[in-house]
Amino acid sequence: SQQGEEDPQALSIQEGENATMNCSYKTSINNLQWYRQNSGRGLVHLILIRSNEREKHSGRLRVTLDTSKKSSSLLITASRAADTASYFCATDGDYKLSFGAGTTVTVRA
Amino acid sequence: GAVVSQHPSRVICKSGTSVKIECRSLDFQATTMFWYRQFPKQSLMLMATSNEGSKATYEQGVEKDKFLINHASLTLSTLTVTSAHPEDSSFYICSARDSRGLAKNIQYFGAGTRLSVL
Repeated sequence: SQQGEEDPQALSIQEGENATMNCSYKTSINNLQWYRQNSGRGLVHLILIRSNEREKHSGRLRVTLDTSKKSSSLLITASRAADTASYFCATDGDYKLSFGAGTTVTVRA
Repeated sequence: GAVVSQHPSRVICKSGTSVKIECRSLDFQATTMFWYRQFPKQSLMLMATSNEGSKATYEQGVEKDKFLINHASLTLSTLTVTSAHPEDSSFYICSARDSRGLAKNIQYFGAGTRLSVL
């Protein structure tokens, strides 16, 4: 079942700008993960943040998690044209992932 | 990172035929694999969890006789869409969970299979 709700649905930014997207969920989780999907392709794992963590970094990615608000955010800094993709959050409660609706990010050159 | 191969990438078939999709973990053993369905511009919907050596666990609303899953080895799961009809046209994606160490919660995805039923 789909648990995550993502905001915004779509985002268009200029190359070099930052992109921020948010994810809210409903039930308790073991961890929350972010994935990227290029058009017509499978998903690529970006980052995992555990329920006892508040912030995590990986390269140009920064993820925050607020379990009291049941929300997470993904920040992509200094965006590039290659970052154009759909981004999904996925909550892991029982080793099955429940995906949000996704945010489509377009980075204009 | 771990690699999951999904084949074929695209299938066009006539209504009433059966289609088999393969999902292989190439460099790790996967006791658990997952099958998802994705409609255009929508999220992934989990169809079933495939467990090596045992029956698959289907999500509510997914017909097990329609979508046959076999997970005969630690590196291969197959999804067979039986007697496919146009409404089965969709993008099917598999994933495999790496049960080793720190990566054990991460799922690695195949590239997907675009099924078009005429």
